[in-house]
Amino acid sequence: DQQVKQNSPSLSVQEGRISILNCDYTNSMFDYFLWYKKYPAEGPTFLISISSIKDKNEDGRFTVFLNKSAKHLSLHIVPSQPGDSAVYFCAATSGNQFYFGTGTSLTVIP
Amino acid sequence: DARVTQTPRDKVTEMGQEVTMRCQPILGHNTVFWYRQTMMQGLELLAYFRNRAPLDDSGMPKDRFSAEMPDATLATLKIQPSEPRDSAVYFCASGMGQGGTDTQYFGPGTRLTVL
Repeated sequence: DQQVKQNSPSLSVQEGRISILNCDYTNSMFDYFLWYKKYPAEGPTFLISISSIKDKNEDGRFTVFLNKSAKHLSLHIVPSQPGDSAVYFCAATSGNQFYFGTGTSLTVIP
Repeated sequence: DARVTQTPRDKVTEMGQEVTMRCQPILGHNTVFWYRQTMMQGLELLAYFRNRAPLDDSGMPKDRFSAEMPDATLATLKIQPSEPRDSAVYFCASGMGQGGTDTQYFGPGTRLTVL
């Protein structure tokens, strides 16, 4: 059973616009959430994270929002750039448990 | 530039053969993870080591998969016998041992094809 779900396999956005990637989870015990970015033929790389005690974390063009009541987090990229085109995975952790979603492929159109 | 390295990068084998994948974690990292990426399941955690001791291998099919850390610089994932359904990209990642908040540094992956 998938405890972390990314229901949109793909997303296309115009350069300069906002990209919003969504992630839902089922386990209320998750206490830390992360986003990873993956280019083809490479391993995922860490992008941004958020603790469950916060509802927002910002790092440059990237902002992660956490809605614990809805068990939902989202990653906002503003403005989107062609170099952001990649697969984005959300992950949730609790203690020594780590769960990743299936990924969303973002294409930023120049 | 410290990186996780994985060998081989690509492996094609026939059903029933033994497959061994190797990972060198970043020097100084004491946690090692093995993941399998499939289209349907995304990244599945197979095994997780801290200080070379297995903490969790519940995601790994025990009858054919085994994971070990012979020393702090080498982690191995072995499949014996391999089956076509094992075809996937296998990633190794390492971290500093901070538990759930650990940022994981991934290797480039081993693409396994079992015919």
